[in-house]
Amino acid sequence: AQKVTQAQTEISVVEKEDVTLDCVYETRDTTYYLFWYKQPPSGELVFLIRRNSFDEQNEISGRYSWNFQKSTSSFNFTITASQVVDSAVYFCALSNNNDMRFGAGTRLTVKP
Amino acid sequence: DTGVSQNPRHKITKRGQNVTFRCDPISEHNRLYWYRQTLGQGPEFLTYFQNEAQLEKSRLLSDRFSAERPKGSFSTLEIQRTEQGDSAMYLCASSFVGMGTDTQYFGPGTRLTVL
Repeated sequence: AQKVTQAQTEISVVEKEDVTLDCVYETRDTTYYLFWYKQPPSGELVFLIRRNSFDEQNEISGRYSWNFQKSTSSFNFTITASQVVDSAVYFCALSNNNDMRFGAGTRLTVKP
Repeated sequence: DTGVSQNPRHKITKRGQNVTFRCDPISEHNRLYWYRQTLGQGPEFLTYFQNEAQLEKSRLLSDRFSAERPKGSFSTLEIQRTEQGDSAMYLCASSFVGMGTDTQYFGPGTRLTVL
């Protein structure tokens, strides 16, 4: 069975701090995909990144970076120099083709 | 706007009534997914279509839930004899299947309140 755990329910930081959102997954498949989505207060899920299980290269996109480690089954997300607009619920998800499983989400609040 | 659209955005109904939601996917996308999201939880997969074919429906929550995508374009999700426990956000996503897995793009959701 596939499972995604986001142990941090809520995180609060002050603007310009760095913050890391943790994601741990379980799967028996050798081929799988990992995702991060952002859900701002408006409610619409916004796609941030997709990673396949054969690509462990870390990725950086502006202030966002992702650390994928198969050895620990983790796919963590770091926001550098956080901003108020980063306040949202962030979901990690695991997919094997058709079966997408989401974690329960981490609510990030960035205070000015 | 060429994203996924959902209508209505909000629906309030009385227990026992039937409701139907519509999803219009991104035009070139061949897959369409339905999810339910309750407060404080991540989206929960319900069903999906590839073109007109419903390829997975075992995770629909009960036989009161059904979905259609008659022409491989828009889709509808119907809940019959609604119960208070059906109150949730219903999300639609679409994707294009090419090589490997697909990236799903989500609509704004329909928030259902059952009184």
